[in-house]
Amino acid sequence: DAGITQSPRHKVTETGTPVTLRCHQTENHRYMYWYRQDPGHGLRLIHYSYGVKDTDKGEVSDGYSVSRSKTEDFLLTLESATSSQTSVYFCATSAGLGGQETQYFGPGTRLLVL
Amino acid sequence: KQEVTQIPAALSVPEGENLVLNCSFTDSAIYNLQWFRQDPGKGLTSLLLIQSSQREQTSGRLNASLDKSSGRSTLYIAASQPGDSATYLCAVLRSNDYKLSFGAGTTVTVRA
Repeated sequence: DAGITQSPRHKVTETGTPVTLRCHQTENHRYMYWYRQDPGHGLRLIHYSYGVKDTDKGEVSDGYSVSRSKTEDFLLTLESATSSQTSVYFCATSAGLGGQETQYFGPGTRLLVL
Repeated sequence: KQEVTQIPAALSVPEGENLVLNCSFTDSAIYNLQWFRQDPGKGLTSLLLIQSSQREQTSGRLNASLDKSSGRSTLYIAASQPGDSATYLCAVLRSNDYKLSFGAGTTVTVRA
């Protein structure tokens, strides 16, 4: 394993509340990613980071923000959670950009928005 | 927009049978293609990565082929075992922005 942890692993929250998910890596990888996985869909990229304080949007970024203040930590914030954001969220890291080198995935966070 | 399709969505085979998993993509402008394995409640584990210039990649009982011009990849798993039961996802790396596009996966059950 590439030493990627996610916290919390499970969370139940109410519509309209802010939620922050944390990804922590010990591999010193430059690139970090947040994906969501929904039934019938592949993983979809929410945001990614290409260095400390350097982030960019993915294909489903609306309603999400990210921050990366240290190489090892990448935070995903749902500014005001909605039921459509109920999903499983995965963090990934890689030494090279995108899939030029293997991406390593964390165990996921299951989020339920009521 | 890159669309990645995996058919069938689910597959059940008896132990010992060879598995053939299919992946198709709509835009041939890819940098590479990867196959991942996902166990229930877990994250993804990379199995094989094929560069766009390669035709196939092998690792143990796994062999993946790539036909970029026709937009297809096939993952072969020889002599399947119950431990091969999992969901297998393919993903293509787009050449224009280096982002991965994933298929929805094929869930495999190998019956003992």
